[in-house]
Amino acid sequence: NAGVTQTPKFQVLKTGQSMTLQCAQDMNHEYMSWYRQDPGMGLRLIHYSVGAGITDQGEVPNGYNVSRSTTEDFPLRLLSAAPSQTSVYFCASRQDGNTEAFFGQGTRLTVV
Amino acid sequence: GQQLNQSPQSMFIQEGEDVSMNCTSSSIFNTWLWYKQDPGEGPVLLIALYKAGELTSNGRLTAQFGITRKDSFLNISASIPSDVGIYFCAGREVSTGNQFYFGTGTSLTVIP
Repeated sequence: NAGVTQTPKFQVLKTGQSMTLQCAQDMNHEYMSWYRQDPGMGLRLIHYSVGAGITDQGEVPNGYNVSRSTTEDFPLRLLSAAPSQTSVYFCASRQDGNTEAFFGQGTRLTVV
Repeated sequence: GQQLNQSPQSMFIQEGEDVSMNCTSSSIFNTWLWYKQDPGEGPVLLIALYKAGELTSNGRLTAQFGITRKDSFLNISASIPSDVGIYFCAGREVSTGNQFYFGTGTSLTVIP
């Protein structure tokens, strides 16, 4: 099993550009989440989904959009990148609500 | 959002020593999780706790769900060089359902 796969691993954007971070899981998990990790801070939840067609905002949703058209995929869209969005982004998935169990390897994004 | 206080921020220990770290929250949690993160990788779940007072082991690692439900502890016995990494706690409030909040991490260095 591949688990949780994130692409790309690294990305540099110019301020104002848009892009989509991809996340796919092959474990048929219902729950998927996006986090950002910044130095000196814990992972913070951006958006999450409890199943196909259902998404909700987390702690820091501004500047990001998500959709969940299939169980496997949960892309994160940056509409107009800002330097404050420079971070490492992690996608996670789990079968139920009890444990945030499986993380991808992360996408390191730099906005200049 | 919820702030989890994790301490210590960093530790430098000799191989073979035991390690203790803890995490506290300002509100009551119904789940506590402990992760290890290696450089360039996503967090890997070590231990999950679901009941106040619960004590769970995973090899040389032991974690406890505090009786007050506002704290958790992780102990590593007889540390070895491969224990090096950043350890994160995470928890879920009773009131917020699906969201997990993360601590700021404890960086562990093991000196051979």
